[in-house]
Amino acid sequence: GIQVEQSPPDLILQEGANSTLRCNFSDSVNNLQWFHQNPWGQLINLFYIPSGTKQNGRLSATTVATERYSLLYISSSQTTDSGVYFCAVSGNNDMRFGAGTRLTVKP
Amino acid sequence: DAGVTQSPTHLIKTRGQHVTLRCSPISGHKSVSWYQQVLGQGPQFIFQYYEKEERGRGNFPDRFSARQFPNYSSELNVNALLLGDSALYLCASSVSESEQYFGPGTRLTVT
Repeated sequence: GIQVEQSPPDLILQEGANSTLRCNFSDSVNNLQWFHQNPWGQLINLFYIPSGTKQNGRLSATTVATERYSLLYISSSQTTDSGVYFCAVSGNNDMRFGAGTRLTVKP
Repeated sequence: DAGVTQSPTHLIKTRGQHVTLRCSPISGHKSVSWYQQVLGQGPQFIFQYYEKEERGRGNFPDRFSARQFPNYSSELNVNALLLGDSALYLCASSVSESEQYFGPGTRLTVT
């Protein structure tokens, strides 16, 4: 099956800093999504981005499908951005998640 | 509009017992998928159903089964529970093979 690798595994930032999270995948995919998991376990949709670039406020994402990677950018980070960020891809009726990036934003 | 709903929220079972978890998709969504998330890891795909038919199955033992009903709601059944089945079970719905939306999960503890 498709392998998904996320980096870095952990990231600690000061409030106001910018960050880039990376997702590499091993095969061509039909779908790619970025999620933020809150402390209660709820997965919150950030982007549905099988290719191209999207922006939503302080967050943006880029997927280069031909090179099999996606990037999530967080600008001017806030303490409420803390949590685990997951990249998930699907190629054939199954969605595969990476291990996640745990982001901690300090005030 | 209501999002994906799951019940129960929490559940405690004993080894060897059986459990049934339930999921109601977003109105208009015909696909439901189930995932298991063990503490500290990413969710692992268990099943996908679309229009009441199984479309995908992850690497889980036959103790895990699921079904989808005519109203597109779904049940996940786990037989002969093991301690290692303790996890957060997540349900997601989508229109078809597109963006998935997740429910709040059912936290299962097996003692």
